[in-house]
Amino acid sequence: AQSVAQPEDQVNVAEGNPLTVKCTYSVSGNPYLFWYVQYPNRGLQFLLKYITGDNLVKGSYGFEAEFNKSQTSFHLKKPSALVSDSALYFCAVRGFAARTGANNLFFGTGTRLTVIP
Amino acid sequence: DGGITQSPKYLFRKEGQNVTLSCEQNLNHDAMYWYRQDPGQGLRLIYYSQIVNDFQKGDIAEGYSVSREKKESFPLTVTSAQKNPTAFYLCASRDTGRDGNQPQHFGDGTRLSIL
Repeated sequence: AQSVAQPEDQVNVAEGNPLTVKCTYSVSGNPYLFWYVQYPNRGLQFLLKYITGDNLVKGSYGFEAEFNKSQTSFHLKKPSALVSDSALYFCAVRGFAARTGANNLFFGTGTRLTVIP
Repeated sequence: DGGITQSPKYLFRKEGQNVTLSCEQNLNHDAMYWYRQDPGQGLRLIYYSQIVNDFQKGDIAEGYSVSREKKESFPLTVTSAQKNPTAFYLCASRDTGRDGNQPQHFGDGTRLSIL
């Protein structure tokens, strides 16, 4: 069965410090991994994805993510946090759902990032 | 600008009433999706459609119905059978033509509440 775990409901970081939002996954076959960000009362915005290749993936707004196959992790990172990065972040994995017979996205429960000025 | 438009932004439902949430996209995407978002639960898939005139149940389809008569439109009806409809509903679409792993694009959601 496919699943995504985001072990931290809340992450606080000071402005200018590096940030990490954690994600681990479980999937049959090759993992296709995504990060999205959600601002209040808005939809999800795509940040980056890992399909294959380089384990360090660069995305929008200075974010990057590191794929680690042995640890089944895909942590989101940014070298220097901004107050405007404060939002809800979702990790997702694309996997085959036996019940529906299709490859769909499975989302984590989200991590709320607060960047403190 | 290309994108996904959901309307209305806020919707109130009375007991025993069906309501329909609109989702329109001008991205020329074949696949469309409906998710329900509840606090602390992430997104759960209600229905999805890979192509016009075809749709499939997701993980929590009970009490919901959809149609896909046009490529651009994928309306969701929340029926009176859905006993706990209060949630934030998100529509998404995806380009399935280029490769199998294009990201989903989301609308800005409809917040449904019970009167």
